[in-house]
Amino acid sequence: EPEVTQTPSHQVTQMGQEVILRCVPISNHLYFYWYRQILGQKVEFLVSFYNNEISEKSEIFDDQFSVERPDGSNFTLKIRSTKLEDSAMYFCASSALGGTYEQYFGPGTRLTVT
Amino acid sequence: LAKTTQPISMDSYEGQEVNITCSHNNIATNDYITWYQQFPSQGPRFIIQGYKTKVTNEVASLFIPADRKSSTLSLPRVSLSDTAVYYCLVHGSGNTGKLIFGQGTTLQVKP
Repeated sequence: EPEVTQTPSHQVTQMGQEVILRCVPISNHLYFYWYRQILGQKVEFLVSFYNNEISEKSEIFDDQFSVERPDGSNFTLKIRSTKLEDSAMYFCASSALGGTYEQYFGPGTRLTVT
Repeated sequence: LAKTTQPISMDSYEGQEVNITCSHNNIATNDYITWYQQFPSQGPRFIIQGYKTKVTNEVASLFIPADRKSSTLSLPRVSLSDTAVYYCLVHGSGNTGKLIFGQGTTLQVKP
């Protein structure tokens, strides 16, 4: 069964550093998403992406965040200057159809900012 | 987006049927109901989606009464591996696909 993959599984970085989280969505999917989950809290939507542009973003997704689909397979989330409060599990998801709520999530990247 | 209310936690035993009910009094005509499951340290996993009456797949059943103000996720004969958080989401169709998760229901299955 096809699945979404994410790398790395765990990333430790110092405050102020840039990080790039990588995702490989399911190959025939066209819609991509990033979510995050701070430990013990709800899963929060960050951004949706289609046709090489952002479809929607949340208030969390400020100027420090950016997304890119640099090639036909990868989908990345960049945090320019990490803060302690960016420590969370970051999940990538993809879906075949737009406006669908059947999304396939990756295993997540645990980001720890020290 | 319609607000959803579901129990914070539930306990069950292996082999039992588990029913988790979600209230969504303000559901709109075009809204769908979707349930996700999340195991610890994993991403959420789509379980089932419905609009009205009953939907069944290999994992679960979803019961939606005629007024659609609530829905019940039914898990037949649970096992220890069904211990997870279950989320009820209500949303319209045709937008960007943003999922809004609540706190969910933590189901603990005991031997």
